[in-house]
Amino acid sequence: QLQLVQSGNELKKPGASVKVSCKVLGYTFKNFHVTWVRQAPGRRLEWMGWINLSGGETKYNENVEGRVTMTADSYTKTAFMEVRSLRSDDTAVYFCASGNNWLGPWGQGTVVTVSS
Amino acid sequence: DIQMTQSPSTLSASVGDRVTITCRASQNIFRWLAWYQRKPGKAPNLLIYDASTLNSGVPSRFSGSGSGTEFSLTINGLQPDDSATYFCQHYHSYLYTFGQGTKLEI
Repeated sequence: QLQLVQSGNELKKPGASVKVSCKVLGYTFKNFHVTWVRQAPGRRLEWMGWINLSGGETKYNENVEGRVTMTADSYTKTAFMEVRSLRSDDTAVYFCASGNNWLGPWGQGTVVTVSS
Repeated sequence: DIQMTQSPSTLSASVGDRVTITCRASQNIFRWLAWYQRKPGKAPNLLIYDASTLNSGVPSRFSGSGSGTEFSLTINGLQPDDSATYFCQHYHSYLYTFGQGTKLEI
């Protein structure tokens, strides 16, 4: 059964970086994408981009491109998303999800809090 | 960017009722639309993709319809477990965007 397991919650200061991981369990096919989505308090879900777990191809939301890097380790089937130069409005729940169109299943979510 | 607008924002219904949630896109997205259910403190759960295809394991009381700019999610025979927030997402062109969500109270 396909399952995505994310790393734990993070508390960061403004200007710092955070790297969230997403381990994929139970998949065997080659062309597998992981999409990252976040939801800030009181705001709707925001699509951040996706990465192909095998080939490393990426597609970013241009609104976050430049501060966000998605990488993957195909051996451990783990996707990573790093957000740099954190600001208070990066405070959100960050989700990874399987797929690059419709999304499912999703990871459990990682709360990233940016506060001085 | 394509804007996704859902209505209503909140919905109150009773067990056994039939409810419909609407999602409107700011431009033609053909049938490139998904619906999700999210419960407090949980990750979203995919219900429907390609506007009307039911995801595996999702009860048949859920159905989706529409194309172009107007879409709907219908739940027949509401169950207490259906209390959740529902939202739509297009995947027609980058950047993908989500609706603001409809909170269903039972």
